[in-house]
Parts: sequence; structure tokens; C-alpha cells
Amino acid sequence: DIQMTQSPSSLSASVGDRVTITCRASQSINIYLNWYQQKPGKAPKLLIYAASSLQSGVPSRFSGSGSGTDFTLTIRSLQPEDFATYYCQQSYRTPWTFGQGTKVEIK
Amino acid sequence: EVQLVESGGGLVQPGRSLRLSCAGSGFTFDDYAMHWVRQAPGTGLEWVSGISWNSGGIAYADSVKGRFTISRDNAKNSLFLQMNSLRAEDTALYYCAKARGIGAANTGDTFDMWGQGTMVTVSS
Repeated sequence: DIQMTQSPSSLSASVGDRVTITCRASQSINIYLNWYQQKPGKAPKLLIYAASSLQSGVPSRFSGSGSGTDFTLTIRSLQPEDFATYYCQQSYRTPWTFGQGTKVEIK
Repeated sequence: EVQLVESGGGLVQPGRSLRLSCAGSGFTFDDYAMHWVRQAPGTGLEWVSGISWNSGGIAYADSVKGRFTISRDNAKNSLFLQMNSLRAEDTALYYCAKARGIGAANTGDTFDMWGQGTMVTVSS
């Protein structure tokens, strides 16, 4: 199975900050990497697919980059509604696997 | 509005069975693959199983292979997960998720819509 490792596991940030979350795959997955946001008590929501494509309706302050084994999710200017847990997921080969999550908390 | 509504969860003893359902609306159900993803309390996400648009392709996580069976009824816009020989480690919130594509295991696919989940608790 392809292992996905996110860092950091959690971070504290202030409104307006630029936030970067990284995700590393245990083998090359080309660009087949998706990012999801999950708020407490809610279902995950797709933010980014194919490493850098913004899902319809997602604010442009979210962006993704990377290919191969190393990927990044960036939130350009953190908003109050962005405090949540973020997961990466590889869609290169089944079983589809997720990172362990990165919790973004208010500083 | 695209909507997925899961049902069928509950408390069940180890070794028993449970059948989950997911009703889709607001989109052409038989145009897309569908998946089950679970989340144990306080932990991350684990993909469980996926089924192609026409049930021709099916995939399972190793942790459930041989115990769980995924199926769909396109005439009723419904997805199912038959769970047998349940274990304590199957305790989780089970989400139904819609794929962007048609295959159960297509490279590059994503889960672009999720239901709110149904809780399964396996305990004596």
C-alpha cells in the first residue's frame, strides 16, 4: 500500500497568516493527490484534486502544488472558517490511502 | 442539490452482521462510481470499498475483504454495504462518497461529495 505522511500533525495560526501543509507519499504518485477539509462533526469536503486543481466553489486562497512524492497545500490568508483538519489522499492506486491529517487551530 | 444520505448504522455484537444504505439525489446516480470511507472515533479516514457505475468493477481494502460486500441499485439511486463477521475495529462513522469518475479504481479519481455518515459500533 502507498503510505501518506502529512506534516505537521497540528499547527496554530492567526487569521491572515499564510499556512503550508505538506504531504509525502511512500512512492511516486505522479500528480494523483487530493486534499480534503473536515470540520468537527462534518463530512470531509474536497478542496484540491490532481495536486493543483481547485474544486468548484472552493475559495482561491487555497492552492496545491507538487508531483511525484512531495505535495503542498497552501492557504494564502487564513480565514476564521478555515480552522479545520486537512487530509491528503492518493488516487494513484488502490487501496486509496489518506494522510493522518493536519489540524489547523487558532493561535 | 447533490445529496447523499446514509442509514443502517447501530450497535451490533462482534461476529454479527449489518447492512448500510446510501441514498443519492440531485445527480445522475448511475453516471458515477461510489465508495464507502470510514472514520474511527478521533482518528483519520480509511477507504473501505468502491464500486463502478455499472457494478462491473469492485475494490476493497484488505481490512474488510471477504467480510464486506458493496453493491448498488441504480434504479433506486442506492448504494449498499453488507458487513459480516463484524469486529470491534470496524467501529467507525461510515461515509458514502461519490466519485468524479465511473470506475471503482480509476487512477486520478476523487471523492467529490460525501454524506453525513452513519455510525457503526461493534461491542458486546
